[in-house]
Amino acid sequence: AQSVTQLDSQVPVFEEAPVELRCNYSSSVSVYLFWYVQYPNQGLQLLLKYLSGSTLVKGINGFEAEFNKSQTSFHLRKPSVHISDTAEYFCAVSEPGGGADGLTFGKGTHLIIQP
Amino acid sequence: NAGVTQTPKFQVLKTGQSMTLQCAQDMNHNSMYWYRQDPGMGLRLIYYSASEGTTDKGEVPNGYNVSRLNKREFSLRLESAAPSQTSVYFCASSDTPPQHFGDGTRLSIL
Repeated sequence: AQSVTQLDSQVPVFEEAPVELRCNYSSSVSVYLFWYVQYPNQGLQLLLKYLSGSTLVKGINGFEAEFNKSQTSFHLRKPSVHISDTAEYFCAVSEPGGGADGLTFGKGTHLIIQP
Repeated sequence: NAGVTQTPKFQVLKTGQSMTLQCAQDMNHNSMYWYRQDPGMGLRLIYYSASEGTTDKGEVPNGYNVSRLNKREFSLRLESAAPSQTSVYFCASSDTPPQHFGDGTRLSIL
């Protein structure tokens, strides 16, 4: 069975500072990895995905993540955050070829941008 | 582009009442999913449908039923609502990753 651990429930950061949101997963097989963002009272929007290939994945809004198989991590980074980045961020995993099984989500990290 | 549409957006029920949450997608996806989101818990899979005519249980199926009406529509039914089912419910669809999500239904059970 898969599991996802988001190590921080809240991350406060000053505007224009860099940020890293941490995600570790466990799985006995290869995985697909995703980061979603949820703005207040909205649905989930895909930030980026890792399916195969380059381990450094670039997404929307200046975010990027690096897949590290040996550390079973998929941390999300942004070099300079803005007030508009305030949101809940979810890391998720699924198994390739696992049929239509759903995503397994972490519990989320609330990114708080301070002016 | 509508994508994944969920109705209603908000609902308040009394304990014991029944309710069907509707979900429709216009992307011609084969797979559809229902999740619930609770504070501090992330999203958890309730049921999914790999294709029209098939449904399977996810992590938290108790108290729910689903119907894959056709390729576009996947409904979630609460037969006898309980306060523990107060949550935000999300529908999603996909063919290949990633999944695409609707805006959610906020359901309160009193």
